[in-house]
Amino acid sequence: GENVEQHPSTLSVQEGDSAVIKCTYSDSASNYFPWYKQELGKRPQLIIDIRSNVGEKKDQRIAVTLNKTAKHFSLHITETQPEDSAVYFCAATFHNSNYQLIWGAGTKLIIKP
Amino acid sequence: DVKVTQSSRYLVKRTGEKVFLECVQDMDHENMFWYRQDPGLGLRLIYFSYDVKMKEKGDIPEGYSVSREKKERFSLILESASTNQTSMYLCASRLSGQGVHQPQHFGDGTRLSIL
Repeated sequence: GENVEQHPSTLSVQEGDSAVIKCTYSDSASNYFPWYKQELGKRPQLIIDIRSNVGEKKDQRIAVTLNKTAKHFSLHITETQPEDSAVYFCAATFHNSNYQLIWGAGTKLIIKP
Repeated sequence: DVKVTQSSRYLVKRTGEKVFLECVQDMDHENMFWYRQDPGLGLRLIYFSYDVKMKEKGDIPEGYSVSREKKERFSLILESASTNQTSMYLCASRLSGQGVHQPQHFGDGTRLSIL
């Protein structure tokens, strides 16, 4: 079946360095790709999303890139700070469904002081 | 700001009990979702509802049912709770979007333990 693979499962970076999380999707019909951040004990919250007609989107220190040919998209966080420590989830739409998302397994990002 | 409220943060039930998890949203969203979250497995969709009285099975509907009698409320029912249903349950809602995919807004989750 369709799936989204997310790597790495755990990422540890020095404060101030950049972090990159990558997701690969299998459904070529996927057209919407959100990223959610879940801090410990809290709800997942949307931090950035991208649609298939766009190759890159940026919002301050975070950016997402999409390569439709290779069917992968990545989250980039620059100048990491302690508050960036969380679990990050990527997702992709299921076929052309207006409802369903397929989720990656999550990446635990640890920012070392 | 969107508010999605789940009735309980923590719940402990016994095997075989019928369990109800409630979710309410205050933004008149058409679509609502129930997920379970387990370590290393991400979020798995149990059921979703695209409008009142409408429901669709997700990836793992076995052992669960849902009810959407009012637009703001989406209930998840464990018909006969089993220990393998011990998990974190997340509710989400979103606007229908009219063909443009809209983001989902999540509740705080219910950590359910079945003994």
